[in-house]
Amino acid sequence: GAVVSQHPSWVICKSGTSVKIECRSLDFQATTMFWYRQFPKQSLMLMATSNEGSKATYEQGVEKDKFLINHASLTLSTLTVTSAHPEDSSFYICSAGRDTQYFGPGTRLTVL
Amino acid sequence: DAKTTQPTSMDCAEGRAANLPCNHSTISGNEYVYWYRQIHSQGPQYIIHGLKNNETNEMASLIITEDRKSSTLILPHATLRDTAVYYCIVNTRGANSKLTFGKGITLSVRP
Repeated sequence: GAVVSQHPSWVICKSGTSVKIECRSLDFQATTMFWYRQFPKQSLMLMATSNEGSKATYEQGVEKDKFLINHASLTLSTLTVTSAHPEDSSFYICSAGRDTQYFGPGTRLTVL
Repeated sequence: DAKTTQPTSMDCAEGRAANLPCNHSTISGNEYVYWYRQIHSQGPQYIIHGLKNNETNEMASLIITEDRKSSTLILPHATLRDTAVYYCIVNTRGANSKLTFGKGITLSVRP
């Protein structure tokens, strides 16, 4: 199957700072990638669809100005959490795939 | 996308087969049945998918009923490492297919 990586695997930041999370497709090109968020004891919730060379599509209720997505190449999408607050602490996961979606290992964000 | 219903949890003994059911009565003709699992604090892992025929790979078998309204994921010889949340998702296939996750079923494998 396809391999998707994420970096960093965990990050701790102070409230008000911005954090960038990278998602890479290692052995295939991905024109589309997806970003999910998962709070403790809950299921994954789709945040946005990242489209290479064009604007991301955000799910209802997700603030596009707070969660900036850049898909500048066919193997890399980045999610930047701007002005992070403690309520943004969560597990962020990306996925990509040609026919079947494969998921990255996730990034644990803790905002103090 | 069609919705799925799964039991909340189940357990099985190590070494025995684990049969995880899923109902998807509103599945469309072009939608596949996908199974993923998520081990604590990791990203979901793809297990298997199928359209209408039964499928088997090195991880599991997928049995889909003839009317496609339900399916069963079978882990033939469950191990402690199979303890996870298992998600049954119906979706079209392709790079642009975003997945909608339900609550899944928590499988606990006991020694």
